[in-house]
Amino acid sequence: DGGITQSPKYLFRKEGQNVTLSCEQNLNHDAMYWYRQDPGQGLRLIYYSQIVNDFQKGDIAEGYSVSREKKESFPLTVTSAQKNPTAFYLCASSMGQYKLGQYFGPGTRLTVT
Amino acid sequence: GENVEQHPSTLSVQEGDSAVIKCTYSDSASNYFPWYKQELGKRPQLIIDIRSNVGEKKDQRIAVTLNKTAKHFSLHITETQPEDSAVYFCAASTSYDKVIFGPGTSLSVIP
Repeated sequence: DGGITQSPKYLFRKEGQNVTLSCEQNLNHDAMYWYRQDPGQGLRLIYYSQIVNDFQKGDIAEGYSVSREKKESFPLTVTSAQKNPTAFYLCASSMGQYKLGQYFGPGTRLTVT
Repeated sequence: GENVEQHPSTLSVQEGDSAVIKCTYSDSASNYFPWYKQELGKRPQLIIDIRSNVGEKKDQRIAVTLNKTAKHFSLHITETQPEDSAVYFCAASTSYDKVIFGPGTSLSVIP
């Protein structure tokens, strides 16, 4: 399970505050992803990045922002514009070649009150 | 848009029995189909995948079948064990590195 890390494991914030979730990988993967998982739900794609300095919106990008300044890092900022930010956030990475499986980080559980 | 459906949403089987989870996809251009297992509170992990040029793939007790004409694929687990209890997600890839996940199936194996 090593190679892709997320921190912190649990995060608590007050409503109206921006918060940044960390995702780091040392697998030399080109592509990185952010997913949101709500209780009993599947994985919904927030943003993904195929190469450094480039990223695309997923299905639920509103209220989130990302950056990809380094190959190893893909931080996600949950802004105050996100109406319902409390969720389990999963980062993943994969080789930059087509049709290869994703490796997931351990996740960050964000609670906003 | 791209969509992946998955059935059933919950599945209970007796230990030793087989379990089958079925998925359908909407985009005929999809050509990569991974399956992930997520244990409670843990990260999803890739357990098996299949590409569109293959009809079936097997790995010990796990097998996946693909019917491109009908646009559906299935996960088969034989001789189920309690440690197989988890949520299973199917997925389909329709473009470079973008993967669409199904809603998941919660499998319970009863000892």
